[in-house]
Amino acid sequence: DAGITQSPRYKITETGRQVTLMCHQTWSHSYMFWYRQDLGHGLRLIYYSAAADITDKGEVPDGYVVSRSKTENFPLTLESATRSQTSVYFCASSPTGPRTYIEQFFGPGTRLTVL
Amino acid sequence: KNEVEQSPQNLTAQEGEFITINCSYSVGISALHWLQQHPGGGIVSLFMLSSGKKKHGRLIATINIQEKHSSLHITASHPRDSAVYICAADDGLTFGKGTHLIIQP
Repeated sequence: DAGITQSPRYKITETGRQVTLMCHQTWSHSYMFWYRQDLGHGLRLIYYSAAADITDKGEVPDGYVVSRSKTENFPLTLESATRSQTSVYFCASSPTGPRTYIEQFFGPGTRLTVL
Repeated sequence: KNEVEQSPQNLTAQEGEFITINCSYSVGISALHWLQQHPGGGIVSLFMLSSGKKKHGRLIATINIQEKHSSLHITASHPRDSAVYICAADDGLTFGKGTHLIIQP
């Protein structure tokens, strides 16, 4: 299907476990982004990527790892999940990057609970 | 770091009312974005503004770059406009916390 998808949509895990959230887009957009959304904070940028094999930190990168071996995929890994990482995670893509972007297209979100 | 403030945080209005949501930011930017988050959680981009005003249907967005302020207006509001509206500064993507709008029939 065309668009941007995230998987899983819901995930419950335990403290200390590794978790990977997947993001896939079919538009061949250069830029991809990961955000977390928490009550009281709004959306916060975790990491973004300008192209395959190019990634950069956002506002809240600690505890997260990203990779981008292919343009269409941008997985986000929590290497050792903590309760503070309980959140809703949104992936987004755009044909242009920060400070020049026209529009971002958001995935449906992944609700992650860390027990 | 840019501070993006939205007001009000919550707004309940009656169908048909004219709605205004405000967004201010502390550091100069080249553009500002308005997003809409549906009750189910999905987020869509509404506008990107660098100056003046943009209109899309019943939605109007204005920006004053010098005053570091933008407004989103909804004319003839309808219950389907109920959503969270988020502004974002195009400075590396700093988001406001959102305005939760409920339009009652």
